Amino acid sequence: DIQMTQSPSTLSASVGDRVTITCRASQDISTWLAWYQQKVGKAPKLLIYKASSLESGVPLRFSGSGSGTEFTLTISSLQPDDFATYYCQQYSTYPYTFGQGTKLEIK
Amino acid sequence: QVQLVESGGGVVQPGRSLRLSCAASGFTFSNYGMHWVRQAPGKGPEWVAVISSDGGNKYYADPVKGRFTISRDNSKNTLYLQMNSLRAEDTAVYYCSKYGDGSGYPGYWGQGILVTVSS
Repeated sequence: DIQMTQSPSTLSASVGDRVTITCRASQDISTWLAWYQQKVGKAPKLLIYKASSLESGVPLRFSGSGSGTEFTLTISSLQPDDFATYYCQQYSTYPYTFGQGTKLEIK
Repeated sequence: QVQLVESGGGVVQPGRSLRLSCAASGFTFSNYGMHWVRQAPGKGPEWVAVISSDGGNKYYADPVKGRFTISRDNSKNTLYLQMNSLRAEDTAVYYCSKYGDGSGYPGYWGQGILVTVSS
């Protein structure tokens, strides 16, 4: 199975900050990577697919980049609604696998 | 708009069976592959199974292979997950999800249904 490793596990930041979350795959997944946002008690919400394509309706402050084994999710200017947990997921090979998550907290 | 509504969850004893359903609306169900993804309490999501749009192709995660069966009825716009020989470690919120428009990733997710396996 492909292992997905996110860093950091927890990130403390303030409104207006630019933040970056990293996701590494244990083998080459090309750009078959998605990013999700999850709030407590809610289903994950798709933000980014194919590493850098923004899902319809997602604010432009979210962006994704990378290919192969290293990927990043960047939020250009944090808004209060962005404090949540973020997951990456590879969909290159079954079984699809998720990173362990990055919890974005208010500093 | 897209709606996915899971049902059939609850408390079940170890070794017993349960069938989850996911009623889809707001899109052409027969055109999309579908996933089941679960999330144990306090943990991250875990992909469980996928089925192609016509039901001809199915894949499973190793922990559920041989115990769970994914299926669909395109005439009823409904996805199913038959879960047999349930274990305590199957306790989780189960989500159904439709393929994204760009490819086979889980795009839109339902609200989830809790399955608790306990004696």
